[in-house]
Amino acid sequence: DAMVIQNPRYQVTQFGKPVTLSCSQTLNHNVMYWYQQKSSQAPKLLFHYYDKDFNNEADTPDNFQSRRPNTSFCFLDIRSPGLGDAAMYLCATSRDLPQGNNEQFFGPGTRLTVL
Amino acid sequence: DQQVKQNSPSLSVQEGRISILNCDYTNSMFDYFLWYKKYPAEGPTFLISISSIKDKNEDGRFTVFLNKSAKHLSLHIVPSQPGDSAVYFCAASYTGNQFYFGTGTSLTVIP
Repeated sequence: DAMVIQNPRYQVTQFGKPVTLSCSQTLNHNVMYWYQQKSSQAPKLLFHYYDKDFNNEADTPDNFQSRRPNTSFCFLDIRSPGLGDAAMYLCATSRDLPQGNNEQFFGPGTRLTVL
Repeated sequence: DQQVKQNSPSLSVQEGRISILNCDYTNSMFDYFLWYKKYPAEGPTFLISISSIKDKNEDGRFTVFLNKSAKHLSLHIVPSQPGDSAVYFCAASYTGNQFYFGTGTSLTVIP
């Protein structure tokens, strides 16, 4: 089945220790997104790629970076995780940017714990 | 600034009855609205959507209603089943822009 895969599902890191979260897709979608979701809050968009074109949300901290080496993979790098970065990180894809009938497909998420 | 709001964090409904989940938005530019369903330990999955040119879209037991003048949409589930117990997210977008999500409503369907 075509899907969005996130690894690892659970990640524990230490305060200030860099961490990388991984996302892959078999849908061949043009757009890949990274969201941060904290408890009882809405998913918050960090950035997205349209093909190789990177788009950073204005309020995404510099501590967060992303790479998309090819269509299938996208990585989220947190350079110096703080306690406030503990959250669920969701990767999503869509065929195109929002227009008409175009929904997102989500991975299962990576739960990040910062000690 | 929360542009999509779900003011009810939780909802409990008896099996077989109607579940009504509500969502309000503030941005009049939104032209596409979606509902996602999320089970624990899984990512959200797309459920149903509606374009701003419509006021109703139906898919089996799920119907979404859009009231543009009130900037309000709702998801009706009839009849509700225990397997519908999940967190439901409302989302909205406009062409070329990002998807904006609500905070979710946790639905519990009681057998």
